[in-house]
Amino acid sequence: DTAVSQTPKYLVTQMGNDKSIKCEQNLGHDTMYWYKQDSKKFLKIMFSYNNKELIINETVPNRFSPKSPDKAHLNLHINSLELGDSAVYFCASSQRAGAGGELFFGEGSRLTVL
Amino acid sequence: AQSVTQPDIHITVSEGASLELRCNYSYGATPYLFWYVQSPGQGLQLLLKYFSGDTLVQGIKGFEAEFKRSQSSFNLRKPSVHWSDAAEYFCAVGALNNNDMRFGAGTRLTVKP
Repeated sequence: DTAVSQTPKYLVTQMGNDKSIKCEQNLGHDTMYWYKQDSKKFLKIMFSYNNKELIINETVPNRFSPKSPDKAHLNLHINSLELGDSAVYFCASSQRAGAGGELFFGEGSRLTVL
Repeated sequence: AQSVTQPDIHITVSEGASLELRCNYSYGATPYLFWYVQSPGQGLQLLLKYFSGDTLVQGIKGFEAEFKRSQSSFNLRKPSVHWSDAAEYFCAVGALNNNDMRFGAGTRLTVKP
């Protein structure tokens, strides 16, 4: 049973479209994250939610909107996709906020914008 | 905020040889330090972590890392590399009072037969 699962794994779409990536964790963790990994493998935090509350919101275009319906789910919606949004997006979770603890990652969602 | 530097972008070692991957961090207080491994097409998997106590920590797959406060380093080592160790390795630093984990740029490991 996958601990952190993301769907879809691959997403190919045209510029200007809107798309969503879903993430679910069954670890009972309080905190969830979205990271973006670019073509050079650099990992950058985008958002973090703790118990459905947004606690980290890095400098990310407002075309990106996270939503956490409950603490086990964190979805990422992207409006008006641009070429530069092409990347692998990783969802992760950790036991609780503020504890500097281990992250558990999903397998990633590779977004290609044409 | 904390930050991490991995000086080596790409390292190639022969199978059976020893390995050391470098990691330097910047943080004003005691850091929480991690090494993650990413195989192609996969997510990141934790190899080992340091929170406190013994500065030499053992991880999975025969890896170990040593925390050296005086050098702000947390280098990853393995005495004998296997072909299956070829992957991207990420050092990361977290902190007690925030959950903003920062990752280094990664080191790609190639293993020659």
